[in-house]
Amino acid sequence: EAGVAQSPRYKIIEKRQSVAFWCNPISGHATLYWYQQILGQGPKLLIQFQNNGVVDDSQLPKDRFSAERLKGVDSTLKIQPAKLEDSAVYLCASTDQGVTEAFFGQGTRLTVV
Amino acid sequence: AQSVTQLGSHVSVSEGALVLLRCNYSSSVPPYLFWYVQYPNQGLQLLLKYTTGATLVKGINGFEAEFKKSETSFHLTKPSAHMSDAAEYFCAVRRNQGGKLIFGQGTELSVKP
Repeated sequence: EAGVAQSPRYKIIEKRQSVAFWCNPISGHATLYWYQQILGQGPKLLIQFQNNGVVDDSQLPKDRFSAERLKGVDSTLKIQPAKLEDSAVYLCASTDQGVTEAFFGQGTRLTVV
Repeated sequence: AQSVTQLGSHVSVSEGALVLLRCNYSSSVPPYLFWYVQYPNQGLQLLLKYTTGATLVKGINGFEAEFKKSETSFHLTKPSAHMSDAAEYFCAVRRNQGGKLIFGQGTELSVKP
């Protein structure tokens, strides 16, 4: 069974530029999460989708971050414009009804210079 | 609100010694509890989980953890450390199957030869 796929693995951009990350969850998983992991900290939830609807985006900086999950499968997370403090690893995870744990992708490491 | 506290951001042990990583949680309802491991430049991999039933749970790579409701703890142990255990370890709590994972700040485990 294929795991959670994320791309790109690494991205370096200048501040005020825009960037997008892509996630393909495990096939059939209805719930998809985006987490932000700043160096030395635990992952923090940015947004949770159930199919193509948003369940929780309370920690998403909506003035610069946006996310979508069209058709309830793949998802993209966008930052526009990026700030230095957005440098972090962005992790995508998925799970489903009857599954207690979440499965994580390898993450995208973003460096904003 | 749920929260997770990991005592000690860095733990160093000698190869062959006992590994003990501490985790305390707060939750208004009996939670699901998890330990994840993260190797450099990788995503999170599930080590073990507690949902219901037996309070001592065994995971991969010889790790185990005990859920102690009275102490609101879920400490991770391994009888004998191996060099390959060096990684970042995260404790996480989840209120229900559909809920988000809330992570502690992580504990970096170093193993000395």
